[in-house]
Amino acid sequence: QVQLVQSGAEVKKPGASVRVSCRASGYTFIAYYIHWVRQAPGRGLEWMGWIKPKSGDTNYAQKFQGRVTMTRDTSFSTAYLELTRLRSDDTAVYYCAKVHCSSSSCSSDPFDMWGQGTMVTVSS
Amino acid sequence: EIMLTQSPATLSLSPGERATLSCRASQSISSYLAWYQQKPGQAPRILFYDVSNRAPGIPARFSVSGSGTDFTLTISSLEPEDFAVYYCQQGSNWPPALTFGGGTKVEIK
Repeated sequence: QVQLVQSGAEVKKPGASVRVSCRASGYTFIAYYIHWVRQAPGRGLEWMGWIKPKSGDTNYAQKFQGRVTMTRDTSFSTAYLELTRLRSDDTAVYYCAKVHCSSSSCSSDPFDMWGQGTMVTVSS
Repeated sequence: EIMLTQSPATLSLSPGERATLSCRASQSISSYLAWYQQKPGQAPRILFYDVSNRAPGIPARFSVSGSGTDFTLTISSLEPEDFAVYYCQQGSNWPPALTFGGGTKVEIK
């Protein structure tokens, strides 16, 4: 079945970087955009950006420009999120999510599958 | 960027009651409006891809309506498993962006 499995929880100090992975299975990885969404404790969902696995093209939310990098390794059907210069308010659960539609025009389509989430804690 | 405002923030109801959740956009939505359900400690789950497209396995007691800037998610008769937080979401290909509403928590009264 379709699955997105993320890497485990991370604890980082302010100013450090974190990389979260998202391994896809059960579908053709390169056919569907992958998005990253985060959720601070007790807060709502915040979109961070997407990557097109086929080409590696990316689009980042303006808020994260300059601090975020999304990459992928098609050999391992895995997407990666890297966030640099971490601050305490980056403490959140980070989710990857797959769009529903496989067309190249579906960059911002709804998400039909989410990873289980990765807790990133930023604390000195 | 289109902003989505959900109301109320919290809805306190009893099992069997009807829940009506609102999502209002800052400008007319021409692409889609999706709805998600999130339970504590879990990732969100899609309910509706757009106004007319129910996700697989979603019970018929869930329905959506609306167009333009005003959208509604209705749960006709709340079951115990429906108490959760609900988010609306829209996306556009150009400019490429995606936004979520702030969420509505449906809690047991």
